[in-house]
Amino acid sequence: DAKTTQPPSMDCAEGRAANLPCNHSTISGNEYVYWYRQIHSQGPQYIIHGLKNNETNEMASLIITEDRKSSTLILPHATLRDTAVYYCIVPRTNSGNTPLVFGKGTRLSVIA
Amino acid sequence: KAGVTQTPRYLIKTRGQQVTLSCSPISGHRSVSWYQQTPGQGLQFLFEYFSETQRNKGNFPGRFSGRQFSNSRSEMNVSTLELGDSALYLCASSLPDGLKYFGPGTRLLVL
Repeated sequence: DAKTTQPPSMDCAEGRAANLPCNHSTISGNEYVYWYRQIHSQGPQYIIHGLKNNETNEMASLIITEDRKSSTLILPHATLRDTAVYYCIVPRTNSGNTPLVFGKGTRLSVIA
Repeated sequence: KAGVTQTPRYLIKTRGQQVTLSCSPISGHRSVSWYQQTPGQGLQFLFEYFSETQRNKGNFPGRFSGRQFSNSRSEMNVSTLELGDSALYLCASSLPDGLKYFGPGTRLLVL
C-alpha cells in the first residue's frame, strides 16, 4: 500500500467546512484513495473514494491534486456527529480481497 | 439492505480460554475480512475469506483462525487467550469492487 500521512488531530467549528488533508506521494497511477471514518468504538464507515477526478457524494467531497500526491476530504457543514477519526487509505489494488492498511488517521473534533 | 452484523457485541473471557466470534455479511457479499483494533496497535488486518477459502492472512499467531461457510457467514476463533487479545474485533464484507463495509465489532475483554 502507498504510505499516507495525515495530521494527528484537527478542530472544526460546527457548521463550518472541515478540510482534512492527506499526503500520498508514493501513489501509483492505478491506485485509488479511500476515506473511512470511525466514530468512537464503532466500526469504520466508508465515506468516499477517487482515482484522479474530484468526487462528491452525500457525505463529503474528495479533492485530489493533479499530481495525485495529496488529497483533501471536505465535510461541507460539519456537525457534532462528524467527530471521529478519519482514515485516508491507498490500498495496493482496488479489488475486494486487498486488505485495508489503516494508519493512525486524523482525529477530528467538531466544536459547538 | 441490512448491514454487517457481528455477535456477540461484548464478551468477557479469562486467560487460557478460547472464543468464537461470528460475522454475517451484507446479503450478496461473498468476501469477509477480519480486523483487530487495540489502543496500542490500531486497526490491523487478521485474514480475509472468499467463497470459503482464506485468500489473505495478516501477521498474527496461529492461535487466531477463521473460516467461512457456504452462506458467506464467517467465524473467527482465538484459542488460549492472552491478556493482549483484549480488543475490538471488526468484520467487513465486500463486493469484488473493493468497497468494504464494517460491522459494529465485538469487544473482547480477557481477564
